[in-house]
Amino acid sequence: AQKVTQAQTEISVVEKEDVTLDCVYETRDTTYYLFWYKQPPSGELVFLIRRNSFDEQNEISGRYSWNFQKSTSSFNFTITASQVVDSAVYFCALSPFSGGYNKLIFGAGTRLAVHP
Amino acid sequence: GAVVSQHPSWVICKSGTSVKIECRSLDFQATTMFWYRQFPKQSLMLMATSNEGSKATYEQGVEKDKFLINHASLTLSTLTVTSAHPEDSSFYICSARTLEQANYGYTFGSGTRLTVV
Repeated sequence: AQKVTQAQTEISVVEKEDVTLDCVYETRDTTYYLFWYKQPPSGELVFLIRRNSFDEQNEISGRYSWNFQKSTSSFNFTITASQVVDSAVYFCALSPFSGGYNKLIFGAGTRLAVHP
Repeated sequence: GAVVSQHPSWVICKSGTSVKIECRSLDFQATTMFWYRQFPKQSLMLMATSNEGSKATYEQGVEKDKFLINHASLTLSTLTVTSAHPEDSSFYICSARTLEQANYGYTFGSGTRLTVV
């Protein structure tokens, strides 16, 4: 089965707190891509990161960082020093090779609310 | 970067009428386009995949006669919701990908909020 699980439905933090959004995936493919997208209230999907299955290096981009652990099939996303503008729904997604990378399988999303 | 324009951004229609949503790739040729549906506070569910010049491939449970997809050119795909009913009210979002983008991901449109009254 190909599946993405984001167990945290909603997270509420106060500004400047660090927050980690969890993502666990299932796939039989050894080759796949993982993504994180941000969906602000306006609805559009904003691309954050893409990672292929052979690249387990963690990545940092400003206040954002990602931890890819193939051994636990997890691709967690951390926002450091959160800001109100980070409030959005965040989706983790899987694109397996067996689908010709033609399919993006989304998790249920985590709604992050950052309060001043 | 790659841009996908989706129009309209919102539409209200009467029950029984048809609604067409357009998805255009503005600065690249989209060999493959995808249509997703998102109910409030839920995830995105893939409805169908369309390749330019071919019939769309629909996901299980999606009525192909109700959701007509046309991908007649490399820059335009349309989704027509025929005989719309209130249960079709949802957020529809398209995504485009090119062969060159195969390793780079997907570009999403800004979405269309459909309300059927």
